[in-house]
Amino acid sequence: DAKTTQPTSMDCAEGRAANLPCNHSTISGNEYVYWYRQIHSQGPQYIIHGLKNNETNEMASLIITEDRKSSTLILPHATLRDTAVYYCIVRGYNYGQNFVFGPGTRLSVLP
Amino acid sequence: DSGVTQTPKHLITATGQRVTLRCSPRSGDLSVYWYQQSLDQGLQFLIQYYNGEERAKGNILERFSAQQFPDLHSELNLSSLELGDSALYFCASSVADRTGNSPLHFGNGTRLTVT
Repeated sequence: DAKTTQPTSMDCAEGRAANLPCNHSTISGNEYVYWYRQIHSQGPQYIIHGLKNNETNEMASLIITEDRKSSTLILPHATLRDTAVYYCIVRGYNYGQNFVFGPGTRLSVLP
Repeated sequence: DSGVTQTPKHLITATGQRVTLRCSPRSGDLSVYWYQQSLDQGLQFLIQYYNGEERAKGNILERFSAQQFPDLHSELNLSSLELGDSALYFCASSVADRTGNSPLHFGNGTRLTVT
């Protein structure tokens, strides 16, 4: 079962920052937070992951609260091409069957 | 481009038939995962292989089987196909046996249509 809770959908204006929240209140100490997105019917695209520190790469920033019970994915300047379903996943040192995708958040970037 | 290659992109076949989907992982990745995505369901984990050995099974039907070859490519075999098997089938790969600090990288999938 998915161990995360995300809003079903969100809108964001083009050019503005998109902040996608995720609750993972039962996260364990050795579990990472992963973010993926799926554009239309393409394969899920890896965005970023982190354990406890904030992370940034060329695509996005990941902010994890100090108690690690929630996180926020930030797309700093959303474009129309960022319209997608965004998945937040928590994952420890387990085999693949524990990499569980929930329903995610459908982000619509509006012109 | 994730570096994971799946073929074919599209496959149309009839009920009762058998098909084989192929996946080439990213260079250096030893783990291969298969997922199914139907219209009315999310991404469902099917099976994982690591360096040729089965590591984990999810909700994979007995009519489905998979293997990973010495060159690390993997094949997913679907037999006695039913209309309900119509779906997108994704392959993913990662470096490690177990995840944790090892992202999965997905291919663009094979769209299977059973008529």
